[in-house]
Amino acid sequence: DIQLTQSPSFLSGSVGDGVTITCRASQGISSSLAWYQQKPGKAPNPLISDTSTLQSGVPSRFSGSGSETEFTLTISSLQPEDFATYYCQQLYSYPYTFGQGTNLEIK
Amino acid sequence: QVQLQESGPGLVKPSGTLSLTCVVSGGSIASSNWWSWVRQPPGKGLEWIGEINYSGTTNYNPSLKSRVTISIDKSKNHFSLKLTSVTAADTAVYYCAIMVPPLRDWGQGTLVTVSS
Repeated sequence: DIQLTQSPSFLSGSVGDGVTITCRASQGISSSLAWYQQKPGKAPNPLISDTSTLQSGVPSRFSGSGSETEFTLTISSLQPEDFATYYCQQLYSYPYTFGQGTNLEIK
Repeated sequence: QVQLQESGPGLVKPSGTLSLTCVVSGGSIASSNWWSWVRQPPGKGLEWIGEINYSGTTNYNPSLKSRVTISIDKSKNHFSLKLTSVTAADTAVYYCAIMVPPLRDWGQGTLVTVSS
């Protein structure tokens, strides 16, 4: 199985800050990486597919980059609704696996 | 966008079988997509369980493969999950979702507790 390791696991920021979350894969996965946002008690919401393709309706302050084994999700200017948990997922090979999550909290 | 809704018992006894159904609305389950199950233990991360396509082809997580079956019923526009020999470790919120990719549309999730 391909393991995904997110860093940091916990992150705090203030409204207006820029933040970056990293997802490292245990082997190369080309660009087959997605990012999800999850709020308490809700299903995950897809933000990005194929490393950098923003899903419909997702604000442009979210962006993704990377390839093979290292990927990043960047939020350019935190808004109150961005405080949530973020997961990466590889869609390169079965079983599809998720990172352990990054909990983004208000500072 | 499609809408998905999970249903099934919220409590299953240890060693029993967990059975859930995901009803799809706003689209046909016979489309060329994969229909997925994902679970999340309380306070923990996401685990991909497996998926099925319109022709009934399945892919399962090897960690669960011996216990899991996903099936599809095109006449009812739904797909189902069965997990046998459950233990407390299978207690989780179970989600169904459509893989576009990514997992684009999700059900609201249903909590299944394994307890006697």
